[in-house]
Amino acid sequence: SQKIEQNSEALNIQEGKTATLTCNYTNYSPAYLQWYRQDPGRGPVFLLLIRENEKEKRKERLKVTFDTTLKQSLFHITASQPADSATYLCAPGAHGNNRLAFGKGNQVVVIP
Amino acid sequence: EPEVTQTPSHQVTQMGQEVILRCVPISNHLYFYWYRQILGQKVEFLVSFYNNEISEKSEIFDDQFSVERPDGSNFTLKIRSTKLEDSAMYFCASSEAVDYGYTFGSGTRLTVV
Repeated sequence: SQKIEQNSEALNIQEGKTATLTCNYTNYSPAYLQWYRQDPGRGPVFLLLIRENEKEKRKERLKVTFDTTLKQSLFHITASQPADSATYLCAPGAHGNNRLAFGKGNQVVVIP
Repeated sequence: EPEVTQTPSHQVTQMGQEVILRCVPISNHLYFYWYRQILGQKVEFLVSFYNNEISEKSEIFDDQFSVERPDGSNFTLKIRSTKLEDSAMYFCASSEAVDYGYTFGSGTRLTVV
């Protein structure tokens, strides 16, 4: 069955450092992969989408990579700030498939 | 910035009662979704809706659940006979296209007692 794996342990990081999160997937051949941010009690907020023919995507202090050989995506927050503290969800998607599945998410805590 | 609006924000209902959760998706979006999140667990797909019909549904979305787009703006999720295990946060989302980012609403917290 399809699996999306994100680290269940929270990532505690000092303000100003780069946070790196990993998303691994199995039994999937996604055409794209999305990353979302979720704050407690709130809905997910879309951050970035990277397609299978793209190696890297950037948006402000965020960077995402997508390695279809390793079946992995990395999500980086550079120059992290306390306001970046949240849970980050990855969601691989297939062509024409209208049922986006989410990983459990990886919590980031940025320490001032 | 356009928003997805969900009402009510909280709903408490007796087991066995019917509930209707309401959503107003973003006006130019064509794809609509319902997800749920049980406390402490992951966001789970329930159903997707396009062109006035269900396009995908999960194993969770059994005969107790139904969706409707009764007019040009609202999108509703009905649970016919609620169970205790239906207690969760229910999120509505919409997107312009299948492989675009989703915009989620702020959710309805459903508590079944």
